[in-house]
Amino acid sequence: AQSVSQHNHHVILSEAASLELGCNYSYGGTVNLFWYVQYPGQHLQLLLKYFSGDPLVKGIKGFEAEFIKSKFSFNLRKPSVQWSDTAEYFCAVNVRGNTPLVFGKGTRLSVIA
Amino acid sequence: GAGVSQTPSNKVTEKGKYVELRCDPISGHTALYWYRQSLGQGPEFLIYFQGTGAADDSGLPNDRFFAVRPEGSVSTLKIQRTERGDSAVYLCASSLGTSGGNTGELFFGEGSRLTVL
Repeated sequence: AQSVSQHNHHVILSEAASLELGCNYSYGGTVNLFWYVQYPGQHLQLLLKYFSGDPLVKGIKGFEAEFIKSKFSFNLRKPSVQWSDTAEYFCAVNVRGNTPLVFGKGTRLSVIA
Repeated sequence: GAGVSQTPSNKVTEKGKYVELRCDPISGHTALYWYRQSLGQGPEFLIYFQGTGAADDSGLPNDRFFAVRPEGSVSTLKIQRTERGDSAVYLCASSLGTSGGNTGELFFGEGSRLTVL
């Protein structure tokens, strides 16, 4: 069965610091990869996704993620975080076709002034 | 509607009672998913509908949980004989479905928070 591992449970950064959140998945086949964000009191929203092509994917709000197939990884990055990036971040994967998304446990990001 | 709508937003019930949670997906989305999110965890898959039929119900924890989507649009998640361990946020999501190169992107509702006392 697929599984998704997010290495950091809670990350605390100062504004303008760089961010990298780790994500690894266990499935060896062809996959689609996603990062979702959940701001306090809001629903899950798509941040970015990868399904083919350039392994460096750019999303909303200055976020990007790099798919490294050999490492089964899809780490999320942002060069300079803002206080408004405080949220919970979830990595998710599904197998090509019609399988449901499998989510990681999430990483809570707290950005302090 | 513009987004996925879930009702009620909050439900408090007593152990042993029956609960229904409703989801109204984005218009035109043929696939509908139910997830459950407990505190400090990521969303956990429960069941997925393609049209009216349950394409995958492997995530339902036991036979107390059941979901329907009789007309291929609105779905209801039903929980019988609720237990304290059922307390969680129940998330509904919809997507365009599996045809047309769909990549599985899900659009989520705000969830129904269930508390079983």
